[in-house]
Amino acid sequence: DIQMTQSPSSLSASVGDRVTITCRASQGISSFLNWYQQKPGKAPRLLISAASGLQSGVPSRFSGGGSATRFTLTISGLQPEDLATYYCQQSYNLPWTFGQGTKVEVK
Amino acid sequence: QVHLVQSGAEVKKPGASVKVSCKISGGTLGELSRHWLRQAPGKGPEWMGGFEAEDGATLYAENFQGRVTMTEDTSTDSFYMELSSLRSEDTAVYFCASGSVYATFAYWGQGTLVTVSS
Repeated sequence: DIQMTQSPSSLSASVGDRVTITCRASQGISSFLNWYQQKPGKAPRLLISAASGLQSGVPSRFSGGGSATRFTLTISGLQPEDLATYYCQQSYNLPWTFGQGTKVEVK
Repeated sequence: QVHLVQSGAEVKKPGASVKVSCKISGGTLGELSRHWLRQAPGKGPEWMGGFEAEDGATLYAENFQGRVTMTEDTSTDSFYMELSSLRSEDTAVYFCASGSVYATFAYWGQGTLVTVSS
């Protein structure tokens, strides 16, 4: 199985800050990488597909990048409603696997 | 707009089985993939299995092989996940998920809490 490792596991930042989350794959996965946002008590929400494809309705302050084994999710201008846990997921090889999550807190 | 609605919470004893349903609205089974994932408390989601048109068959994660069965009913645009031989470690929120891009979960149900306790 492909292992997905996120860093940091949690972070606290102020409103307006630029926040970057990193996701590393245990082997190369090209650009087959998705990002999800999960708010407490809710289902995950797809933010970005294929490493950098912003989903319809997702604010433009979210952006994704990277390829092969290293990927990033950036929030440019953190907002209070961005309080959530963020997960990466590889769609390169079965079984589809997720990272352990990065919890974002807003100061 | 595609919407997935799951059945309600379940409490089961060890060794029992549970069946969770997921109904699609705003789309049809034939247009969308259908998957099941679960999430234990404080953990990331775990893919259990699902159907993609590109694969032409329902595929199951090795961790659940032999214990999970996924079925569907095209007449009601619903799909189902049955997990047998339940143990306490199966306590989790179970999600159905769907999408139109391979292995990408664009639509999610609200989640069904399954508690396994004696």
